[in-house]
Amino acid sequence: GAVVSQHPSRVICKSGTSVKIECRSLDFQATTMFWYRQFPKKSLMLMATSNEGSKATYEQGVEKDKFLINHASLTLSTLTVTSAHPEDSSFYICSARGDRGKGYGYTFGSGTRLTVV
Amino acid sequence: AQSVTQPDIHITVSEGASLELRCNYSYGATPYLFWYVQSPGQGLQLLLKYFSGDTLVQGIKGFEAEFKRSQSSFNLRKPSVHWSDAAEYFCAVVTAGANNLFFGTGTRLTVIP
Repeated sequence: GAVVSQHPSRVICKSGTSVKIECRSLDFQATTMFWYRQFPKKSLMLMATSNEGSKATYEQGVEKDKFLINHASLTLSTLTVTSAHPEDSSFYICSARGDRGKGYGYTFGSGTRLTVV
Repeated sequence: AQSVTQPDIHITVSEGASLELRCNYSYGATPYLFWYVQSPGQGLQLLLKYFSGDTLVQGIKGFEAEFKRSQSSFNLRKPSVHWSDAAEYFCAVVTAGANNLFFGTGTRLTVIP
């Protein structure tokens, strides 16, 4: 089945530094990748959608200069949290969809717990 | 406005009992419908999906869901719950004109011995 690997699973960083989170589709080509943020005991909030080789589309209210998304290949997307602050602490999850279309499901990574101290 | 509603924030069932988790959506046309499960600190695993055909869908881990157009519902069921089913369950949709999943608020399932 489709597998998405997300790394790292946990990261602690100092305020003001940047953190990169990787999302890889291991056995399929992810034409579209999605980045979500999940607050404790809350649902998933879509941050941005990225297609391979093009700029990401950010949801309203998401700072594109703070959350840099790169989808350089059909198997890799990265989210970089720049100049992180404690309020950026959260659980970030990526999702990938292959070229079979939306009805065939979206595969999720295992998430990254970011703590900014 | 488009929305996905999971009316039950938290459900507690005894092991071996049956389970039904509710999901209602508000869209003009039938969207693609999904149920995902999330264990603490983990990503989401797809349980089942529906986008056409038979309205009773079988998924993994013994789960099934029934699409009812007249009620705009896609409720998840399991005849006999196991302790390992304790987790957060999310109903999600994607509409024909959209690209991404839109999630309900989730239902947390607790299973007691």
